Amino acid sequence: AQKVTQAQTEISVVEKEDVTLDCVYETRDTTYYLFWYKQPPSGELVFLIRRNSFDEQNEISGRYSWNFQKSTSSFNFTITASQVVDSAVYFCALADSGAGSYQLTFGKGTKLSVIP
Amino acid sequence: NAGVMQNPRHLVRRRGQEARLRCSPMKGHSHVYWYRQLPEEGLKFMVYLQKENIIDESGMPKERFSAEFPKEGPSILRIQQVVRGDSAAYFCASSPASGKFSYGYTFGSGTRLTVV
Repeated sequence: AQKVTQAQTEISVVEKEDVTLDCVYETRDTTYYLFWYKQPPSGELVFLIRRNSFDEQNEISGRYSWNFQKSTSSFNFTITASQVVDSAVYFCALADSGAGSYQLTFGKGTKLSVIP
Repeated sequence: NAGVMQNPRHLVRRRGQEARLRCSPMKGHSHVYWYRQLPEEGLKFMVYLQKENIIDESGMPKERFSAEFPKEGPSILRIQQVVRGDSAAYFCASSPASGKFSYGYTFGSGTRLTVV
C-alpha cells in the first residue's frame, strides 16, 4: 500500500533562513508520481511540482528546490531565503498504479511559519 | 483558460439539511475527482467521475453522500442530512480524458462546509 510520511508537523524559521521540508514515501510500484502542494492560510491548494519516478534530477524554481532520492524514498523540498509569504501548510503526495493512477495519497502536511 | 471552479466557497448548513457542492472542471477536461480535508485527518480521496459515470467511489462514506457529473453542467457532491462531522474542506480536481497524472492535477479553491 502507498504511504506518505511528513515527519515534521510544524516548523518555525526566521525570515531569510533556509528551510527543508521532509517527505518519505512508500510504494511497491516502479512507476509513480510525487507532488508538493502549498496551502496558504486562505485555504486553497496550490500545485508546486510534479515529478515522475523515472526522473531523479533535482529541480530548482526560484527560491524553491526539490531533492528526489529513490534510494531513500524521499522527495524533500527546500525553500531558500524564506519569506513571510511562504508561511503555509505544505503537503507531499504520491500517486501510483496501486491507487488506480489517479488517486493522490497525501502526507499529513508540515505547517511552516516564517517569522519576520 | 479558467481553472477548476468550485462554488460556493463557504457553505453553512444546519444539522439535517442538505449540502450541494459544485465543481466545474477546466475546459476540455472530462474527469473529476473529489477530496475531503477533515481536521486532524488530512486530505483523502472520495470519488472519481467521468461524465455520466462514477468510476471509483471507494472513498465515499457509505451513507448520505453521493456524487454526479452530468453530460452538461458541473459535477455535484451532495451530502444529505448533514452532521457536524461533515464539516470540512472539499476539494475538486479535473484532468483530460486519460485521467493519468502525466497530464497534471490541479485543484479548485475548495468549498468549506460548516455544519452548525
